[in-house]
Amino acid sequence: DAGITQSPRHKVTETGTPVTLRCHQTENHRYMYWYRQDPGHGLRLIHYSYGVKDTDKGEVSDGYSVSRSKTEDFLLTLESATSSQTSVYFCAIRATGYNTGELFFGEGSRLTVL
Amino acid sequence: TQLLEQSPQFLSIQEGENLTVYCNSSSVFSSLQWYRQEPGEGPVLLVTVVTGGEVKKLKRLTFQFGDARKDSSLHITAAQPGDTGLYLCAGEGSSNTGKLIFGQGTTLQVKP
Repeated sequence: DAGITQSPRHKVTETGTPVTLRCHQTENHRYMYWYRQDPGHGLRLIHYSYGVKDTDKGEVSDGYSVSRSKTEDFLLTLESATSSQTSVYFCAIRATGYNTGELFFGEGSRLTVL
Repeated sequence: TQLLEQSPQFLSIQEGENLTVYCNSSSVFSSLQWYRQEPGEGPVLLVTVVTGGEVKKLKRLTFQFGDARKDSSLHITAAQPGDTGLYLCAGEGSSNTGKLIFGQGTTLQVKP
């Protein structure tokens, strides 16, 4: 158990509304990631963080922003949700002592945008 | 842009059969991981391969990294219903940031 909690686990919202997903970790890991998972696409990186207030874009960052004001929390925000952002969102951490690429994932947040 | 092509995308077999899942790319990866995911849960790391030609075994699962570090395979011997799930390969480039490129995934169903 890597101590990762995602909230909310399920959310239904309407097009144009803002949405924030939260990832909380309890073990002070430096690196945190947000991925989205869609059928036929595997997982795709949205944004990642390598420390407090240090973030960078992934391959599908358009329409998303992130913030990391403290080590334990990494927030993903959809400023104005669209139907194309309906997906399952996974937070992940890279645990200390593990090789790069060895990520531990949360249980996911299923977002439906109507 | 780095891509990982995973095949087959779906596999339905009987208990006791053997199977192989392939993960191919035209890009070189510094490491490659295999994950397994069950419905409603996040992916769980199975193995990491780093060296070209490397072979790792995890009980009935055998993982191989290609000599050129562009491809990998997962072979399951005598599959069991408990092996049912989504198998994902993921590669990391040379950036050392943990940014992974995932294959599309292989959904495996093992029928008793």
